Amino acid sequence: EIVLTQSPGTLSLSPGERVTLSCRASQSVSSTYLAWYQQKPGQAPRLLIYGASSRATGIPDRFSGSGSGTDFTLTISRLEPEDFAVYYCQQYGSAPRTFGQGTKVEIK
Amino acid sequence: EVQLVESGGGLVQPGGSLRLSCTASGFTFSSYWMHWVRQTPGKGLVWVSRVNGDGGNTNYADSVKGRFTISRDNAKSTLYLQVNSLRVEDTAVYYCARDRVVGANGAFDIWGQGTMVTVSS
Repeated sequence: EIVLTQSPGTLSLSPGERVTLSCRASQSVSSTYLAWYQQKPGQAPRLLIYGASSRATGIPDRFSGSGSGTDFTLTISRLEPEDFAVYYCQQYGSAPRTFGQGTKVEIK
Repeated sequence: EVQLVESGGGLVQPGGSLRLSCTASGFTFSSYWMHWVRQTPGKGLVWVSRVNGDGGNTNYADSVKGRFTISRDNAKSTLYLQVNSLRVEDTAVYYCARDRVVGANGAFDIWGQGTMVTVSS
């Protein structure tokens, strides 16, 4: 199984700052089958990015994804108040589909 | 509106059983692979099981194989997860989710609101 390791565990930031989240895979992720999700307390995850770099429907362009192979990044160009949440990466190219442990982006 | 609504969770003793349901609306249910994902309180997300569009192909996480059974009724646009021989460590919020791409591997673009399963004596 592919293990995804996200870093850092927690980020304390202010609105307006730029954010870069990392997701590293234990082996290469097939065909950039890598997704990013946002989850707020008491809510289901929401798909942000699929195929490593494609934004899902309705996702603002301040969210962007990049990477290939074993190293992937989610960037939020300028944090808005509603962006404070936990972010998960997921690989869906190999069974079983696995998630990273999450990065919490909290208000400083 | 494209939507998934789960039900069937609850409090059950170790060794007990439940059937979770996920009712879909707003899309052609039978076209999409469907999944169950669980999240333990305060922890991350873990994929549990997957079923293809016609229900004939299923996969499970090793931790639930032999105890959980995924199925679907396309006439009712409903996904099920029969959970048997429950353990304390199965305590979690269970989400159903839709595969974004019809008939192929995709990210999970639609999620239900989740149903809580608590296993405790």
